[in-house]
Amino acid sequence: SAVISQKPSRDICQRGTSLTIQCQVDSQVTMMFWYRQQPGQSLTLIATANQGSEATYESGFVIDKFPISRPNLTFSTLTVSNMSPEDSSIYLCSVEVWGAETQYFGPGTRLLVL
Amino acid sequence: KQEVTQIPAALSVPEGENLVLNCSFTDSAIYNLQWFRQDPGKGLTSLLLIQSSQREQTSGRLNASLDKSSGRSTLYIAASQPGDSATYLCASLGMYSGGGADGLTFGKGTHLIIQP
Repeated sequence: SAVISQKPSRDICQRGTSLTIQCQVDSQVTMMFWYRQQPGQSLTLIATANQGSEATYESGFVIDKFPISRPNLTFSTLTVSNMSPEDSSIYLCSVEVWGAETQYFGPGTRLLVL
Repeated sequence: KQEVTQIPAALSVPEGENLVLNCSFTDSAIYNLQWFRQDPGKGLTSLLLIQSSQREQTSGRLNASLDKSSGRSTLYIAASQPGDSATYLCASLGMYSGGGADGLTFGKGTHLIIQP
């Protein structure tokens, strides 16, 4: 298994600003993912964070809006850029551990954009 | 593109009842089907994982079944307790057409309340 922490746990931000969310894992993992859960909606995969290279984005998500870093095997950041109220969501980090077929999720970051 | 649907969206039952949560998916080319529990502020907890070659998995009072041919999965909760109150999410781990693993596709969840 893996223990995942996210910072911040919640934030209230002003329109037009940017927020960087951190994801820290207690062990080295093969894959790290970022999801978004908008109010009343299912979790949607934003991108796969690749160690040492550019993230792989899903359809509808672009690097300029959601830049992602993964400098090593235990840490990743997601930035929500030029925020609007539509970006108000829970953002979750998840990891896949070598040999496990399930993903482990962080507690999420609850973001409200005014 | 895979679509996962969960019914009902919300359910409220008295403590002690047995209940069934339903999940359907449109693309049967999956690696596995997973059930998660989501509690506010605590992220997601994996409950059960059914491989595409399996029919069911059991853990304590929980039993999950998978019927790939009909694109359905059910989560059975026996003797429900107030501590079971949470949102239950169904997710399929997809498969690229070339055979590699794709990402998780989630349903919107069933919000379950167990009344004491």
